[in-house]
Amino acid sequence: DGGITQSPKYLFRKEGQNVTLSCEQNLNHDAMYWYRQDPGQGLRLIYYSQIVNDFQKGDIAEGYSVSREKKESFPLTVTSAQKNPTAFYLCASSTKDRGSGNQPQHFGDGTRLSIL
Amino acid sequence: ILNVEQSPQSLHVQEGDSTNFTCSFPSSNFYALHWYRWETAKSPEALFVMTLNGDEKKKGRISATLNTKEGYSYLYIKGSQPEDSATYLCAFQSADSWGKLQFGAGTQVVVTP
Repeated sequence: DGGITQSPKYLFRKEGQNVTLSCEQNLNHDAMYWYRQDPGQGLRLIYYSQIVNDFQKGDIAEGYSVSREKKESFPLTVTSAQKNPTAFYLCASSTKDRGSGNQPQHFGDGTRLSIL
Repeated sequence: ILNVEQSPQSLHVQEGDSTNFTCSFPSSNFYALHWYRWETAKSPEALFVMTLNGDEKKKGRISATLNTKEGYSYLYIKGSQPEDSATYLCAFQSADSWGKLQFGAGTQVVVTP
């Protein structure tokens, strides 16, 4: 089945540690996104990528980094500079074709990150 | 950061009753309005992508309307069933944002038998 796979489902970070969240899609989508959810707030965009080897900062990029070396993969690293990393992280993808209207985003099941 | 508001934050509905709730968004620079359903322990699922003022979309017992001039969209659930229990998210896409969505905080719907 086509879809988006995020791993791990739960992740714990020690102080001063970088951790990487995995996101893989087999939908052949060009665009991929990382969101963060905090209680009572909407999903906030961390980073997005429209094409391989290119990505842009979203609204809350500080303390995060990404790479897009393959179309299928868009890993997110939560660095030690992110002082409040405890949150639920969602990865999404969509087709890039804007001319046909707008395409919905497809989401993974998420990763919950907590601080030890 | 654009302001997308959803109300109410939560609502409880008796099985069989109909309900509706609101998403408000900036009325300028509109490109599209998305609705997603997010059930507990699952991933958000796209319901509708709406682009035209006055647009109305329907999927089973769920429908949505769009008013881009005044900046609001309604989502309706007719004859609610327990399986409709979920958080419903709306997301605004501006004309200069290319695929970037601004999400509201969601309306949590609980349907009780």
